[in-house]
Amino acid sequence: DGGITQSPKYLFRKEGQNVTLSCEQNLNHDAMYWYRQDPGQGLRLIYYSQIVNDFQKGDIAEGYSVSREKKESFPLTVTSAQKNPTAFYLCASSMGVSPLHFGNGTRLTVT
Amino acid sequence: KQEVTQIPAALSVPEGENLVLNCSFTDSAIYNLQWFRQDPGKGLTSLLLIQSSQREQTSGRLNASLDKSSGRSTLYIAASQPGDSATYLCAVTPSGGSYIPTFGRGTSLIVHP
Repeated sequence: DGGITQSPKYLFRKEGQNVTLSCEQNLNHDAMYWYRQDPGQGLRLIYYSQIVNDFQKGDIAEGYSVSREKKESFPLTVTSAQKNPTAFYLCASSMGVSPLHFGNGTRLTVT
Repeated sequence: KQEVTQIPAALSVPEGENLVLNCSFTDSAIYNLQWFRQDPGKGLTSLLLIQSSQREQTSGRLNASLDKSSGRSTLYIAASQPGDSATYLCAVTPSGGSYIPTFGRGTSLIVHP
């Protein structure tokens, strides 16, 4: 079955460490997105990529970095510069303006 | 900048009730509007997508309507069941620019037996 896989489901890190969240899709979608979700908040866009080797900052890109070397992969690195990294991170993909498909998320806890 | 508001933020109803969730948006220049369901600790599951030229979409007990001119969409859930308990989010895709959706904060629904 086609879908989006995010790993790991839970991630724990010490403050000051960089951490990379994985997102893989086998839907052959061109566009991929990273969102952050905090309790009681909507989804906030971190980065998006509409084509391989190209990506754009979203509303809250500071302290994050991404790469898009392959169509099916869009990893997100949470750097030590991100002031409040503890959150639920969601990856999504789409073909143009078709419906968004989401992974099951990664819950990151930084202590 | 597009703003999407969902009212109410939370809703608790007895099983069997018909209910309406609301989504409003400030910029009517949209390409489509999508309704999602999110269970605790999970990703979002697409429920219905309405194109800007459409007035409504139906899937089983769910019916979503769109009034682009007034900047409103409603999600109607018929004969609610405890399994409908989840958070429901709407997302609006603009008709120009980068086509990046803007999400509302969601409505948290509890259907009790």
